[in-house]
Amino acid sequence: QAHLEESGPGLVKPTETLSLNCAVSGVSINWNTYYWGWIRQSPGKGLEWLGTIYSGGSTSYNPSLKSRVSISVDTPKNHFSLKLSPVTAADTAVYYCVRHSGHFGDTYNWFGPWGQGTLITVSS
Amino acid sequence: DIQMTQSPSTLSASVGDRVTLTCRASQNIGNFLNWYQQKPGKAPKLLIYAASNLQSGVPSRFSGSGSGTDFTVTISSLQPEDFAVYYCQQSYSSPGTFGQGTKVDVK
Repeated sequence: QAHLEESGPGLVKPTETLSLNCAVSGVSINWNTYYWGWIRQSPGKGLEWLGTIYSGGSTSYNPSLKSRVSISVDTPKNHFSLKLSPVTAADTAVYYCVRHSGHFGDTYNWFGPWGQGTLITVSS
Repeated sequence: DIQMTQSPSTLSASVGDRVTLTCRASQNIGNFLNWYQQKPGKAPKLLIYAASNLQSGVPSRFSGSGSGTDFTVTISSLQPEDFAVYYCQQSYSSPGTFGQGTKVDVK
């Protein structure tokens, strides 16, 4: 059973880059049927899927974020990362890393398990 | 994007009640619908996938149904640990979108 844990700075200044890591334990991040994603939650927008990285390194992102987001995997460290740049106050949210069980449109695809979440505040 | 609308926003109920929560999609999504439960200060947890399949470890008092645009999750006998916020999520097409949630609170 996979266990995920986010780490990040807590506070980021507007126009800067938000960088978050997600440490995965219990499974190899490189297992070819496991995909890894990021979701955020804010009072204004609710739950919002940000993106997923698939086996082989291909990625899919929410078009609402345009070109601001990127997700990468560090196989030796068994973790994956999110970068969002540049940030504004609207990016203030709790950020969750998740296992994504398949591609959208696959017979069975869902988000789980989830990390515990990390609050990111964008403020000067 | 596919819009997901949940109703009601808040449902007040008592322990032992049978409760039904509703989720509607803005277009036909087949059975590509997942339900999550979130308790205060915790991450959401998968309850039901593909509209009616109970995730391993989820009590059998939870059940899901529906297809196309209209979906429900039913708790047959509400337990104290079931007071929480419930979210639906469509997994039919990218971007996967969530409903705004239904809070089940104490009557």
